[in-house]
Amino acid sequence: EPEVTQTPSHQVTQMGQEVILRCVPISNHLYFYWYRQILGQKVEFLVSFYNNEISEKSEIFDDQFSVERPDGSNFTLKIRSTKLEDSAMYFCASSGGSGAGELFFGEGSRLTVL
Amino acid sequence: GENVEQHPSTLSVQEGDSAVIKCTYSDSASNYFPWYKQELGKRPQLIIDIRSNVGEKKDQRIAVTLNKTAKHFSLHITETQPEDSAVYFCAASDSRGGGADGLTFGKGTHLIIQP
Repeated sequence: EPEVTQTPSHQVTQMGQEVILRCVPISNHLYFYWYRQILGQKVEFLVSFYNNEISEKSEIFDDQFSVERPDGSNFTLKIRSTKLEDSAMYFCASSGGSGAGELFFGEGSRLTVL
Repeated sequence: GENVEQHPSTLSVQEGDSAVIKCTYSDSASNYFPWYKQELGKRPQLIIDIRSNVGEKKDQRIAVTLNKTAKHFSLHITETQPEDSAVYFCAASDSRGGGADGLTFGKGTHLIIQP
């Protein structure tokens, strides 16, 4: 069964460093997302991406965040200058249909900022 | 924007009993309401969803009901089993933009099944 894959599974970084989290969505999906989950809290929407541009973003997704689809398979989230409060599990997700539809989540990338 | 409230935050039931988790949403334009199950340290996984043109949907022991007028929806699990223990998240979304709209999640309910 096809699934969303994410790398790395865990990254530890120093405050102020840049981090890139990578995702390979399901191959025939058209919509890509990043979500964040701080330990013990709810899943929070960051950004959605369709047709090579951002469709929607939340208040969390400020100027230090960016997303890119550099090739036909990868979807990346970059955090330019990490802060302690960026420590969280970051989930990539993709969906196939138009509008709202079932999201398939990756296993997540745990980011720890020291 | 959308705001989703979820109750209770923790629910403990005896194995075999039913569990009900409730959510309310604020945006009347929301039309898609999925429920996700998340086991400790794992990804959220869709267990059931409902669209606003339907009032109820059932899949074996799991059912979801939607009241559009009151803007609330509920998850019902019958004949609970130990493997149902997990955190359950409700979510809401609208496809008004016609594109990829993000889901707004509730805060989650930690369901504990007592043997």
